[in-house]
Order: sequence, then structure tokens, then C-alpha cells
Amino acid sequence: NAGVTQTPKFRVLKTGQSMTLLCAQDMNHEYMYWYRQDPGMGLRLIHYSVGEGTTAKGEVPDGYNVSRLKKQNFLLGLESAAPSQTSVYFCASRTTSRDNEQFFGPGTRLTVL
Amino acid sequence: KQEVTQIPAALSVPEGENLVLNCSFTDSAIYNLQWFRQDPGKGLTSLLLIQSSQREQTSGRLNASLDKSSGRSTLYIAASQPGDSATYLCAVISPGSSNTGKLIFGQGTTLQVKP
Repeated sequence: NAGVTQTPKFRVLKTGQSMTLLCAQDMNHEYMYWYRQDPGMGLRLIHYSVGEGTTAKGEVPDGYNVSRLKKQNFLLGLESAAPSQTSVYFCASRTTSRDNEQFFGPGTRLTVL
Repeated sequence: KQEVTQIPAALSVPEGENLVLNCSFTDSAIYNLQWFRQDPGKGLTSLLLIQSSQREQTSGRLNASLDKSSGRSTLYIAASQPGDSATYLCAVISPGSSNTGKLIFGQGTTLQVKP
């Protein structure tokens, strides 16, 4: 049981390039989330999904797109990367049980030059 | 708008000391509160989750309490060890977000336990 995994672990992009971050979970969780973590800002929600085929905007969605074509995967896309998107990105998932406990992946460190 | 604050931002203690980490939130109407641990360069590990109807939760040397009326939670670590050195984050879910589970995080307290 791998839990929540993220690919890649590190990436360097040039301004204007695009990329996709992959999050996978093997816990059969309905809900999945993408956060970014920046010094002095804490973790902020980018987008989330309450089930396969659904997505919704979080606190800081601009410049990002997401897709949830399969229940176990949640993709975060950057169509035209900007230096302001340099950050550490975390994916999380949770079940529909009452406690709402979220489980996090190891993170992807992205640098945009 | 719900805001979560953790003070102090950093804390250094000698090994063996009992310590308390603080978390405060501006809107007392929370659904639940979760404490996480984050090691440098790593993801978040869930430590304890307290439902709004609960007053405390315990796991090993960790005890988390919740006082909704005052908008505060504390994480108590007994007999601290160097392995406890990490950043500790608290996060809340507001009742309006109980279905989506959107967490609102504090900025964390970075703990260093010196041998």
C-alpha cells in the first residue's frame, strides 16, 4: 500500500514551458487535493476533486488546470509556467468517512526560471 | 474568513522537556482540526485529528486539545526527543467545507530538540 505518490519529485522549468504533475493514490479515496507551499504563506489549496470526473477551484487556482479522469489519479497542469509558480506542490487524498482525515504525498519541488 | 495562526514560528528545547505548541483560529465554528508533522523536504504526516465535539486526542507521547470557544488548540509533546525535531502544522475545516474537506493551514512551528 503505497498511499499517495507524486511524480516527479523535482523539476526545473523555463518561463513559458508547460508540464503536468501526477498524483496517484491506492486507497480508493474519493477526494483529492492539490496544495502549494510557499515560505511565509503556508499551504494553500489550488484545486480539488470530490470524485472521478469532477474538479473545483480552491484558493489559488489561477495559472493551473486539473483533471481527474480516473479515481486514483489527479493531474495538475501548468500551461505556461511563471516564476511565481516556483513552489513545493503537495497532493492529498481522503475518504468519505466522517473524520475527514487527509493523507499527503511527498511533494514535488518545482523551480521556474 | 477563517485564519489559522501558530505561535511561535520556531522553538528550541533541550531533550527530555515537555512542551506545548499553540494553534489559534479566528472562527470558532470549525468542523474539525488536524495536527501534522513535516520533516525537512518531506510531505505531511497526520498526527492527530480532533472532531468539533471532542476536547482532546492522544497518541503515544502526543496529546492534542481543542477549545472551540476560545479558538485554540494545543499540541502537547511529552519527554521530547531529538527525533521530534520537525515542523508542526495545524489545519482546520470549517463547517461549510465539511463535505469538500478543504483544509485551512497555519504557517507552522518549527521545533528543534537538542540532545
